[in-house]
Amino acid sequence: DGGITQSPKYLFRKEGQNVTLSCEQNLNHDAMYWYRQDPGQGLRLIYYSQIVNDFQKGDIAEGYSVSREKKESFPLTVTSAQKNPTAFYLCASSIGDGVQETQYFGPGTRLLVL
Amino acid sequence: GNSVTQMEGPVTLSEEAFLTINCTYTATGYPSLFWYVQYPGEGLQLLLKATKADDKGSNKGFEATYRKETTSFHLEKGSVQVSDSAVYFCALRNYGGSQGNLIFGKGTKLSVKP
Repeated sequence: DGGITQSPKYLFRKEGQNVTLSCEQNLNHDAMYWYRQDPGQGLRLIYYSQIVNDFQKGDIAEGYSVSREKKESFPLTVTSAQKNPTAFYLCASSIGDGVQETQYFGPGTRLLVL
Repeated sequence: GNSVTQMEGPVTLSEEAFLTINCTYTATGYPSLFWYVQYPGEGLQLLLKATKADDKGSNKGFEATYRKETTSFHLEKGSVQVSDSAVYFCALRNYGGSQGNLIFGKGTKLSVKP
């Protein structure tokens, strides 16, 4: 089955610790995205990547880092510099160009601070 | 700038009632418009989309029409079911600037009672 997988489903971070969230897709999509969702809020873009070995900051990139070494994978690291990391993190990938582009989302990872 | 405003929830309906969730947007140019649905504890699923004025997106009994004159994309369903209980997000995607950036509303929670 084609799709987007995110792991783990729940992740706990200790003070001062870096943690990495996994996102993998087997849809052969070129573009991938990371969003953060806070309770009662819409999604906000953290980072996106249009192509392998290239990525761009979104609206709230501070305290986060990414890599895109493979087309299928776009891991997100939440660094100790992110002071309020508790949130639901959603990965997406997209197909199509211009007005036809549509983003599809993974099941999400909930990050909690101990 | 670009923004999306949705009606605040929660919206509580009885089964078979008519549903309208209002969505208005602010954008330059001609954005694409989307409705996504999020079931409890899950990621977002694309429900429907429209890419130009007067387009109607439809899926699973839900419909929304892209109204440029009123900058609106209201979601409707003629007869809701308990299984439609979820959070619904309106979003737009504009072109130029942060390419690929979806702008989301804050979401509207729908609860359908039997």
